Amino acid sequence: EAGVAQSPRYKIIEKRQSVAFWCNPISGHATLYWYQQILGQGPKLLIQFQNNGVVDDSQLPKDRFSAERLKGVDSTLKIQPAKLEDSAVYLCASSFSQYSGNTIYFGEGSWLTVV
Amino acid sequence: GESVGLHLPTLSVQEGDNSIINCAYSNSASDYFIWYKQESGKGPQFIIDIRSNMDKRQGQRVTVLLNKTVKHLSLQIAATQPGDSAVYFCAEVGNRDDKIIFGKGTRLHILP
Repeated sequence: EAGVAQSPRYKIIEKRQSVAFWCNPISGHATLYWYQQILGQGPKLLIQFQNNGVVDDSQLPKDRFSAERLKGVDSTLKIQPAKLEDSAVYLCASSFSQYSGNTIYFGEGSWLTVV
Repeated sequence: GESVGLHLPTLSVQEGDNSIINCAYSNSASDYFIWYKQESGKGPQFIIDIRSNMDKRQGQRVTVLLNKTVKHLSLQIAATQPGDSAVYFCAEVGNRDDKIIFGKGTRLHILP
């Protein structure tokens, strides 16, 4: 079974530039998550989708971050304009459903450095 | 305030010994708990989970213990191997909102 695919793996941009990350979840997984992981910390949920609808985006900095999952499969996370503090790993994850007890599988992450 | 968490707690264990990684969770309403292993440069990998109606669950070389009274979770790894070297995160899931909250993580270092 193919895992969660993310691209690009690494990105270096200057502050105030924009960047987009792409995620393809495991086939059949209705729930998709984007997490931000700053070095030395645990992942922090940015946004959760159930199919193509947003379940939770309470911790997404909406002035600069946006995410979409238009067809309920792939998802894109965009940052515009980037700040230095956005340097982190952006992890995409998916699960069969949003309900407690469904294992969440993570991708390898997209490593962003803002200089 | 919340700590920056740049310096992860580290547990150093001799190869072949058992490792015990501890975690204190915050929400008494959490009813599902997960341990993840994160190797350098990779995403978190599911290890084992446990529901709140259990106090112990065993997997292959791993055991998770749950003490709801003191909101404490532990991961025991038997016969620790070099491949177990990683950062280990506990995560709790609330019974109302299904949000997954990760702990700060513990780095497991294996001594030869």
